[in-house]
Amino acid sequence: GAVVSQHPSWVICKSGTSVKIECRSLDFQATTMFWYRQFPKQSLMLMATSNEGSKATYEQGVEKDKFLINHASLTLSTLTVTSAHPEDSSFYICSAGRIAGSYEQYFGPGTRLTVT
Amino acid sequence: QQQVKQSPQSLIVQKGGISIINCAYENTAFDYFPWYQQFPGKGPALLIAIRPDVSEKKEGRFTISFNKSAKQFSLHIMDSQPGDSATYFCAASIETSGSRLTFGEGTQLTVNP
Repeated sequence: GAVVSQHPSWVICKSGTSVKIECRSLDFQATTMFWYRQFPKQSLMLMATSNEGSKATYEQGVEKDKFLINHASLTLSTLTVTSAHPEDSSFYICSAGRIAGSYEQYFGPGTRLTVT
Repeated sequence: QQQVKQSPQSLIVQKGGISIINCAYENTAFDYFPWYQQFPGKGPALLIAIRPDVSEKKEGRFTISFNKSAKQFSLHIMDSQPGDSATYFCAASIETSGSRLTFGEGTQLTVNP
């Protein structure tokens, strides 16, 4: 149990275009989903926290107009990178917390974004 | 005060040996301490986690030791195998913050055959 999927697993896009990444909890409902960014050989950097039906909370320094997060249901959150630039190239990972107040977070497999 | 310091940055162990990774924290409000394993190009996977009310937790070859007074916790991997070669992250969170995780810097473990 506790499987989280991401789609796509990798994407290449041209500079200036927008890219949407989906995060789904497959076998549980998640009140909270988290979006992380990870550069090579570095730790995970939390970008934002999203709760179902409400606006996402962004970490300091993360542009909310550039990284649009929608958490429309208890099993789906999306991250849209708008007007992508090469510096947005990174590994994006989502995680989901169970609905029943458990501490555990379950991570998706990640999405590799390359902006050319 | 939200930081979690992890060491070493990299670790090389022989097959069958014990791998030990250490983490230290400052915020005494942290009440959940998980360890994650990450393979290249994959998302992190929860390995084992501990709460501050116990000093040790063991699951198979993985053991967390927790020292509340020293504000330190460590991961021990017994009988390390080449398949354990991965990056390991410690983390900490506070229940009232909605399980927001603060990660350590990561340790790249290599287990030689």
